Amino acid sequence: QKEVEQNSGPLSVPEGAIASLNCTYSDRVSQSFFWYRQYSGKSPELIMSIYSNGDKEDGRFTAQLNKASQYVSLLIRDSQPSDSATYLCAVNIGQGYGNKLVFGAGTILRVKS
Amino acid sequence: EAGVAQSPRYKIIEKRQSVAFWCNPISGHATLYWYQQILGQGPKLLIQFQNNGVVDDSQLPKDRFSAERLKGVDSTLKIQPAKLEDSAVYLCASSLDSRETYEQYFGPGTRLTVT
Repeated sequence: QKEVEQNSGPLSVPEGAIASLNCTYSDRVSQSFFWYRQYSGKSPELIMSIYSNGDKEDGRFTAQLNKASQYVSLLIRDSQPSDSATYLCAVNIGQGYGNKLVFGAGTILRVKS
Repeated sequence: EAGVAQSPRYKIIEKRQSVAFWCNPISGHATLYWYQQILGQGPKLLIQFQNNGVVDDSQLPKDRFSAERLKGVDSTLKIQPAKLEDSAVYLCASSLDSRETYEQYFGPGTRLTVT
């Protein structure tokens, strides 16, 4: 089982719709979760972090975390063509100085105008 | 605040040649990471420094890859000799500290092509 799993997509949504991106992880003691956006040919850009169960909203983005189910998701409301990118889920494993992030392979999102 | 700087942005070399990449983290960030990202995959951690000490290099192919961060700021990643499978984007990232899970910020990356 991979440590962090994402559906590779592509996920296609029409402009203005809600895009829902999902991620599952295997380490039950993970405490920190991140979503990065990566445009083609660019480096990953941090867009959301979440540490507690529930929802965290930032503009059009909402991150949702359910530690019992080992599941984290990203909702993008009012999707725009500029949201078309690969979305990487990252989960921390380890503790103390050995703490590190493990990334999923990413989900490709395509927003059609 | 300046972001993570990397150079060069692109590099093309032949197999068995050597190559070096440079990274300057965000000012004040104690932790520096080197990742390898192969097309279609997520970034894979190669090595993690806390100041000038190595915290994790378990996935670094030590027979050909080396990295240093001598003064706890800039870092260099070297590949010698390169193989075709080393073609990838090499990403440098930094965070405040690795004792807690602080957010990591990436540089623009170096795209390496080995022919």
